[in-house]
Amino acid sequence: DQQVKQNSPSLSVQEGRISILNCDYTNSMFDYFLWYKKYPAEGPTFLISISSIKDKNEDGRFTVFLNKSAKHLSLHIVPSQPGDSAVYFCAASRNYGGSQGNLIFGKGTKLSVKP
Amino acid sequence: ETGVTQTPRHLVMGMTNKKSLKCEQHLGHNAMYWYKQSAKKPLELMFVYSLEERVENNSVPSRFSPECPNSSHLFLHLHTLQPEDSALYLCASSHDRSNQPQHFGDGTRLSIL
Repeated sequence: DQQVKQNSPSLSVQEGRISILNCDYTNSMFDYFLWYKKYPAEGPTFLISISSIKDKNEDGRFTVFLNKSAKHLSLHIVPSQPGDSAVYFCAASRNYGGSQGNLIFGKGTKLSVKP
Repeated sequence: ETGVTQTPRHLVMGMTNKKSLKCEQHLGHNAMYWYKQSAKKPLELMFVYSLEERVENNSVPSRFSPECPNSSHLFLHLHTLQPEDSALYLCASSHDRSNQPQHFGDGTRLSIL
C-alpha cells in the first residue's frame, strides 16, 4: 500500500493564478517532507522541504504547508508561471531507524500552467 | 562539472547482455542511492550506500549488482535482465542519511529487448 499519495495525476492553472498541489501520507512516523519538480528527460530537482516541527515553509513563490493531524501537505505556487509546468513529486522520510533518510515518493502530479 | 552525472543516458540491451550504469557526484556527499522509476509507479528505492558501505538493499533481485568504489562514484551492474526491468534508473546523492534533500541525476533510460 502506498505510504505517500498524490491523488491528482494532473492540474491545469492559468498563468498568474495560484497552483495548489496536494499530498497525503499514512505513516505518522514521517518527520521530513520534500517537494521535487521534474521536467521531461531530466532528473527530479529539489524544490522545498519542511520538517514536522513546522507547519509552513516559504521560499519565494513556493510555500509548503503541513497539517500533521490530517497527514496532509500541500505546495502553493503563487503566481504560477508557464515555466512551472512540470511533474511535481511529494516525498517523505523519517530521521531514525533502519530506514533513516530513505525517501518515499508519491506518483506525481503533472502541472500545466497556461499563458 | 557539478551535480550528479549519469551515463549512459539511454541503453538498449538484450536479456543475455551484461552492462553497467555509472553515476558520479561532485557535491562532496557521503550517501548515494539507486532508484527505479517504472511507468505510472512512484520512484522505488533500490540501494543505499553510506560512506561507501551498502546499508540498504530494498529486496532487489540479484541480477542488479551495485558497486561503490569511492564516495563519488556508484555503479549498477546489470546481467540477465528481464523485459519488466525496462525503466528509468535514477542515481541520487545527499550529504548524509539524515533528513537532507537528495540530489538526482538525469537518469538512464533502460530498455530490455
